[in-house]
This record gives sequence, structure tokens and C-alpha cells, in this order.
Amino acid sequence: DVKVTQSSRYLVKRTGEKVFLECVQDMDHENMFWYRQDPGLGLRLIYFSYDVKMKEKGDIPEGYSVSREKKERFSLILESASTNQTSMYLCASTDGTGSGYGYTFGSGTRLTVV
Amino acid sequence: LAKTTQPISMDSYEGQEVNITCSHNNIATNDYITWYQQFPSQGPRFIIQGYKTKVTNEVASLFIPADRKSSTLSLPRVSLSDTAVYYCLVVNTGGFKTIFGAGTRLFVKA
Repeated sequence: DVKVTQSSRYLVKRTGEKVFLECVQDMDHENMFWYRQDPGLGLRLIYFSYDVKMKEKGDIPEGYSVSREKKERFSLILESASTNQTSMYLCASTDGTGSGYGYTFGSGTRLTVV
Repeated sequence: LAKTTQPISMDSYEGQEVNITCSHNNIATNDYITWYQQFPSQGPRFIIQGYKTKVTNEVASLFIPADRKSSTLSLPRVSLSDTAVYYCLVVNTGGFKTIFGAGTRLFVKA
């Protein structure tokens, strides 16, 4: 079964810490995405990557950065965590057709910043 | 990018057919309509995608009228396990800036 794996299900960090969220996919997909999900707001796109070392800002990139050194791994970095970044973070991948068909999501990381 | 509007929540009973309608007035020629399902503490899961008319798979049907400004996801004979949030998406052929919106929370009662 194909998979997108997020390294942690739950994470608690302190304000000001640098936080790394890791995502790995085993489907050889070109495209990977980071979303955050908050009650009543649905999923909002933070960053995406369509190739190794390539990245594009989504709708809410402020306070975040990303890294994609290998095709299968896409990392989300919170440079200095703040309480308003407490959220559910979801990683997804899809193949290169870009039609939106068949996004595969990870199970999510629930991050709490205290 | 076309925004979507769908009901915030719906209730149903086991065995009923459920129809969730989504409006996407600004849909572009190259856009597809895609629906996802999300259970608590899980990521969304792809259900169905269409461009026009009707698409059916083992899980659901998707009805899209000729003007494509709306679409309806139809779930036949729902069960308690269909309780979830359903997202309607309009995706362009680039597929990258997909807007998920707030989704429709479906609650199926016994």
C-alpha cells in the first residue's frame, strides 16, 4: 500500500523553538505539499514542491520554510515557533500530471506551541 | 482560482442517499472537480473526480451540469462509517494551488 508518512502524530514545542516536520512518500511522486488545517478554515496550502530542490509558496507561507533535498522527503520548518502556529499539519504528494487526481495524504502532525 | 461553496454540515440516517452540492461559479475551462473525504485524525482521502456530466465509482457518483458551475456528490445508502468531512475542490491542470475550503461535515445517525 502506497504511503505518505509523517514523522510525528503529536508534537509539543515551546515558543521560539525551531521545529522540523518531516514527510516521506514511497510513491516516487514529483509533487509534495504541506497544508495546515484549522477548525472552520479547511486546509490551507503553506508550501509545495514539484521537484527536488524546487519550492513554491502557497497561500500562507509566512513563518515557514521548506526543504526538499531528496525526491521522497519534504520537510516543513518553523523557524521560530509561535502559538498561532498551533495546528494540524498535513503532508501530501501526487504524481506529475498535476490534475489533482489522487492526492495521497499523511495522517497529520498535531503541533501544539506553548 | 475558483472558490467553492458547500454546506457547512448535513445530517442523515443510515440507508439514505445523501447529496452534497458544491457551487463553483468561476470554474475555468481546464478545471476538474474533485471530492475528498476526511475522517477525524486522518488526512483527506480521494473519492471521485469529474469534468462534466456524470461519473460513478464504487464509492460515489458525481453529477456535473452542462454549465459546470456546480456539482453534486451522491453517496448511496450511507452508513455510520460515512460520517466524515467532505471537501469539494476545483483543480486546474497545474494542480498545485488546490483550494480545499471548509468542507461539509456529514453526520450519519442510526
